[in-house]
Amino acid sequence: EAQVTQNPRYLITVTGKKLTVTCSQNMNHEYMSWYRQDPGLGLRQIYYSMNVEVTDKGDVPEGYKVSRKEKRNFPLILESPSPNQTSLYFCASSLGVGPGIGNTEAFFGQGTRLTVV
Amino acid sequence: TQLLEQSPQFLSIQEGENLTVYCNSSSVFSSLQWYRQEPGEGPVLLVTVVTGGEVKKLKRLTFQFGDARKDSSLHITAAQPGDTGLYLCAGARSGGSNYKLTFGKGTLLTVNP
Repeated sequence: EAQVTQNPRYLITVTGKKLTVTCSQNMNHEYMSWYRQDPGLGLRQIYYSMNVEVTDKGDVPEGYKVSRKEKRNFPLILESPSPNQTSLYFCASSLGVGPGIGNTEAFFGQGTRLTVV
Repeated sequence: TQLLEQSPQFLSIQEGENLTVYCNSSSVFSSLQWYRQEPGEGPVLLVTVVTGGEVKKLKRLTFQFGDARKDSSLHITAAQPGDTGLYLCAGARSGGSNYKLTFGKGTLLTVNP
């Protein structure tokens, strides 16, 4: 089954304790991205990756890191989490980066609800 | 900067009613997508519209892309409780090296039995 898998689904942590949220896709997609979803603010892109070893900042990258060592995996790293990073996080993947109709259609993971206390 | 404005933000209706949700922008998009998100889940793609003036139907859902490719609407006929969810529009812009999706804030639809 084609899917994007995030782990964990729920996480409560303390300020300053490094954490990693994993994301894996099995569709051989080139493009992957991370979003956070907050009430009243909608989905905002944190980081994206156009291919292996190619990553770039989205709209709200501060406090986050990513890596893309393999095509299927795109972990999100919070080196020193703070309470303002409490949010619902989604990983998404798309076929590619060309302008074709199917290339930008996003497949989302089920989300990770992070609470930083 | 919010490039995609969705309206209304909230909508609560009775089963059987019709409704329209709007997605407006001052920017031109190469394509526009509609997603539905249910509580505790990630957004799921419903449809992609590409051509100005294009109309697509998905059972009781009708999607339209504006002639100038800046806006879109979603019309639901005879809404059912199973239509309840957050409806998101997302615009794709090509050009340069960034084919990112820009999302609207969503319309939260509740269909009461």
